[in-house]
Amino acid sequence: QSVLTQPPSVSGAPGQRVTISCTGSSSNIGAGYDVHWYQQLPGTAPKLLIYGNSNRPSGVPDRFSGSKSGTSASLAISGLQAEDEADYYCQSYDSSLSGSRVFGGGTKLTVL
Amino acid sequence: EVQLVESGGGLVQPGGSLRLSCAASGFTFSSYSMNWVRQAPGKGLEWVSYISSSSSTIYYADSVKGRFTISRDNAKNSLYLQMNSLRAEDTAVYYCARDLYGDYGDWFDPWGQGTLVTVSS
Repeated sequence: QSVLTQPPSVSGAPGQRVTISCTGSSSNIGAGYDVHWYQQLPGTAPKLLIYGNSNRPSGVPDRFSGSKSGTSASLAISGLQAEDEADYYCQSYDSSLSGSRVFGGGTKLTVL
Repeated sequence: EVQLVESGGGLVQPGGSLRLSCAASGFTFSSYSMNWVRQAPGKGLEWVSYISSSSSTIYYADSVKGRFTISRDNAKNSLYLQMNSLRAEDTAVYYCARDLYGDYGDWFDPWGQGTLVTVSS
């Protein structure tokens, strides 16, 4: 059971917009800690997609955007492309667990 | 180019030990905290351990506390994970990842390619 809750799967057609939610609690996201997002393409290592709730590292297309409100965060992907098919993970910090960085369970994005 | 390369994975029997290494290049290793993150086959990501740049602060996930030891050698630009008393549930790909931080938490970038640890008799 992950500390952060994500839907197991989402899907969308090419060109559409999809969102992936990440729900936490008062000891992590709700406590004001930032949320970060990673993309893991099949058979590869995770790659940073969004940091500090809504910031994109250099090289990440602006089709990817992040937001945070209360105890939840969201990753939005617009103009869906076939190469976006991957697993997506949110990550934050939890103050109830010493030094603990925590992940969501991951969401599999399928491009129809 | 910032790069992390893990090594040391393999097949080990339950109760055995293994030492993972992570070689860093392309950045000033001694200035950054580091992490180990693992991923069991077909499962999600699990943070394992954190070490500060000077090794003065170390954290472990409860699942590995008392069995795993994180360390680093800044002169060799290397990060290590000594894993003892290994269990079947420790079977996973182990990634090392550089720690970056802001005012409200830290994140991981980049990640190494991972090394597979299989615990089985």
